[in-house]
Amino acid sequence: QKEVEQDPGPLSVPEGAIVSLNCTYSNSAFQYFMWYRQYSRKGPELLMYTYSSGNKEDGRFTAQVDKSSKYISLFIRDSQPSDSATYLCAMSVVQGGKLIFGQGTELSVKP
Amino acid sequence: EAEVAQSPRYKITEKSQAVAFWCDPISGHATLYWYRQILGQGPELLVQFQDESVVDDSQLPKDRFSAERLKGVDSTLKIQPAELGDSAMYLCASSAKLAGGPISIGTGELFFGEGSRLTVL
Repeated sequence: QKEVEQDPGPLSVPEGAIVSLNCTYSNSAFQYFMWYRQYSRKGPELLMYTYSSGNKEDGRFTAQVDKSSKYISLFIRDSQPSDSATYLCAMSVVQGGKLIFGQGTELSVKP
Repeated sequence: EAEVAQSPRYKITEKSQAVAFWCDPISGHATLYWYRQILGQGPELLVQFQDESVVDDSQLPKDRFSAERLKGVDSTLKIQPAELGDSAMYLCASSAKLAGGPISIGTGELFFGEGSRLTVL
């Protein structure tokens, strides 16, 4: 069993839809949780960075962490075609430590 | 805007040949990472440097892979000999040294380069 599980999709939604992306993990020592966006043939770029449990909002993006359930989510409101990319969850035990990535979910937002 | 530079962007080689990738991190970033991303999977850490020292190379196949960061700035990842299973994207990332204290936005954030895509025939 992988430490971090993520549904690979692909996920296709119409423009304006609310998108929910999720990851589950098995290592209860993870404390730092991140979401990266990766466009085709590019390197990942950081979208959201949260510590421990709770919610964090940044514009159309909301990250949620539920450590009791070992479950993290990324919500995208009013999705745009420019949001079409692969979304990777990542987590680490210590700040700046080794990141363990999920498989990535490929998202397509149709105009 | 500061960015992580990688070269080459694309490399096609035959198995048993040697191949090398170069990375120049964001200026001032003490920590440098090499990740391997197989198509359809998430990146996996190969090696992490803090300045010129290796912090973690537990997932680096040391019989064929080597990495160095001699002056604590740019880094080279080498594969010799290349095997078919090495076909992947090799990503370099860097981050600023953590100063300690409570978490703040950007602390420990990894900045990735555009990657070097390797195809082994």
